Amino acid sequence: KQEVTQIPAALSVPEGENLVLNCSFTDSAIYNLQWFRQDPGKGLTSLLLIQSSQREQTSGRLNASLDKSSGRSTLYIAASQPGDSATYLCAGNYGQNFVFGPGTRLSVLP
Amino acid sequence: GAGVSQSPSNKVTEKGKDVELRCDPISGHTALYWYRQSLGQGLEFLIYFQGNSAPDKSGLPSDRFSAERTGGSVSTLTIQRTQQEDSAVYLCASSSLRGEWSRTQYFGPGTRLLVL
Repeated sequence: KQEVTQIPAALSVPEGENLVLNCSFTDSAIYNLQWFRQDPGKGLTSLLLIQSSQREQTSGRLNASLDKSSGRSTLYIAASQPGDSATYLCAGNYGQNFVFGPGTRLSVLP
Repeated sequence: GAGVSQSPSNKVTEKGKDVELRCDPISGHTALYWYRQSLGQGLEFLIYFQGNSAPDKSGLPSDRFSAERTGGSVSTLTIQRTQQEDSAVYLCASSSLRGEWSRTQYFGPGTRLLVL
């Protein structure tokens, strides 16, 4: 069964800290992995997409890595800001089927 | 349009009634997805449309759920004889495949369904 897990479930950090969110997937036969952000009461915003042939993607203060062999992806956020507070979800794409993790709820304290 | 739109934004209905949820994808996007997010839970894949191909219905939780995509654009998710456990946020997403399995998914704001 294809499953995606995320650790930690919740994280609270002071402003300015660098942090890492973890995503693990049981089936390494993914086509790509995508990280999303969800703000309370709103839909998902795509952050980064890593194809299976890639190792990492960067966008601004965000860097996502992918290690298919170990079934892991990480999202690194540099110099966190209160505006980064949200729930972060990762999703593995297995062709037509997308499997989402439960998310990590991040709070960045001013 | 500029993004994926969904309507209604909120829907309250009585148990046993039918509801229809609408999704208008980004113009030109051939792939359309429906997901469900129950309170405190992760996203659950429901159904996937790609162009004129038969949809992948593998995620639909029961035969009370059905979806259509007319003219390769707008999609309607229908829930018949709603139950209280159907209460959730229903999210729609679209993407442009362009020869690959998938590219970035763009999500709508969701429809919050409450079944009393």
